[in-house]
Amino acid sequence: KNQVEQSPQSLIILEGKNCTLQCNYTVSPFSNLRWYKQDTGRGPVSLTIMTFSENTKSNGRYTATLDADTKQSSLHITASQLSDSASYICVASDQTGANNLFFGTGTRLTVIP
Amino acid sequence: KAGVTQTPRYLIKTRGQQVTLSCSPISGHRSVSWYQQTPGQGLQFLFEYFSETQRNKGNFPGRFSGRQFSNSRSEMNVSTLELGDSALYLCASSQPGTGSKSPLHFGNGTRLTVT
Repeated sequence: KNQVEQSPQSLIILEGKNCTLQCNYTVSPFSNLRWYKQDTGRGPVSLTIMTFSENTKSNGRYTATLDADTKQSSLHITASQLSDSASYICVASDQTGANNLFFGTGTRLTVIP
Repeated sequence: KAGVTQTPRYLIKTRGQQVTLSCSPISGHRSVSWYQQTPGQGLQFLFEYFSETQRNKGNFPGRFSGRQFSNSRSEMNVSTLELGDSALYLCASSQPGTGSKSPLHFGNGTRLTVT
């Protein structure tokens, strides 16, 4: 069964600290892995997209890694800011013609001063 | 470039009624997809339209329907509303020709509450 699991469900960190969010997927055949950031009351915003041949991709203080062999991805946030408080959603896409997307339920990150 | 626009932002309906939600994609984007987001389930795919044709459909009952117009604007309709339909409904558009790596551009959603 194609699915995406994220951990932890929620996380609280101090401003300025780093953190890492995890994503495990069982989507097959696998095409790409995406991370989205969703602020409260807003739609998700794309952070990174990686195909199975890419190991890492950065977007400012956000760095995503992908291990297609173990079917794991992580999102590392460096020097967190209050504005990083949001839900982070991992999405895996398959290679079928429909490009089906499978969504994780997200990690709720709260950055406190 | 203007982003994806969804209207209305908030809706309150009673059980049994029907509702129509609207989505205007980013100019030039011909693919529009719809999602239901609830706290427990996360984002659930409803359907995708491309050039006025439904290209893909999620596992939702027939009460959920949609359409796309020639200008790529899209609407989704939910008939005979149930309490469980209360959710944030998100629309996303993407640019054709970029294959499976097309990022989705989401609107800010319509918050539907069914009482």
